[in-house]
Amino acid sequence: QSALTQPPSASGSPGQSVTISCTGTSSDVGGYNYVSWYQQHPGKAPKLMIYEVTKRPSGVPDRFSGSKSGNTASLTVSGLQAEDEADYYCSSYAGGNNVVFGGGTKLTVL
Amino acid sequence: QVQLVQSGAEVKKPGASVKVSCRASGYTFTTYTIHWVRQAPGQRLEWMGWINTGNGNTKYSQQFQGRVTITRDTSASTAYMELSSLRSEDTAVYYCARVYSSAWYFGYWGQGTLVTVSS
Repeated sequence: QSALTQPPSASGSPGQSVTISCTGTSSDVGGYNYVSWYQQHPGKAPKLMIYEVTKRPSGVPDRFSGSKSGNTASLTVSGLQAEDEADYYCSSYAGGNNVVFGGGTKLTVL
Repeated sequence: QVQLVQSGAEVKKPGASVKVSCRASGYTFTTYTIHWVRQAPGQRLEWMGWINTGNGNTKYSQQFQGRVTITRDTSASTAYMELSSLRSEDTAVYYCARVYSSAWYFGYWGQGTLVTVSS
């Protein structure tokens, strides 16, 4: 499978909102509601932020939200905070018991 | 609490194999699938495959098919990932990850194991 497409970078000022897109195909993002998002700080393991497109694990602030339209999923971070600066990866079930990740987006808090 | 503890860093020569372990605690090991994901320096996450820790069934990414083997030892609550025919491009941090609830997203991650392939 090809990697899902994410913008390499995104940025926003503290308090603002930023949205990161994740584009796949009807065989992955568009075909299943198993899109997830991960936050990764430098040198650390990824952390699950959103699963099943819109759900947040316990402990994840409600400033983080997910959505999907067609073959494109999105992660929105509202009320940006300095600690949100990190790399963000989307992932999707891709059929045939396979998983595919996106290329990653570096979020900068200005 | 759920914990995944991986084995330490490895340095291997091209053509060799490496086996990374992932010891689970804080839950019933055979209940949840474990996946392996790698990340080359400065690069994206790459999914490698998974193991059903209950029945031992596996699935591998086509990219690694033929070179990767994922196994588990239920008595030790440990999963293993072995990658063979190593090349320099396999230099990466290798993570094990346990599914959160469904099989397709990962709520718990190991600390990562750096594998360096160099002559």
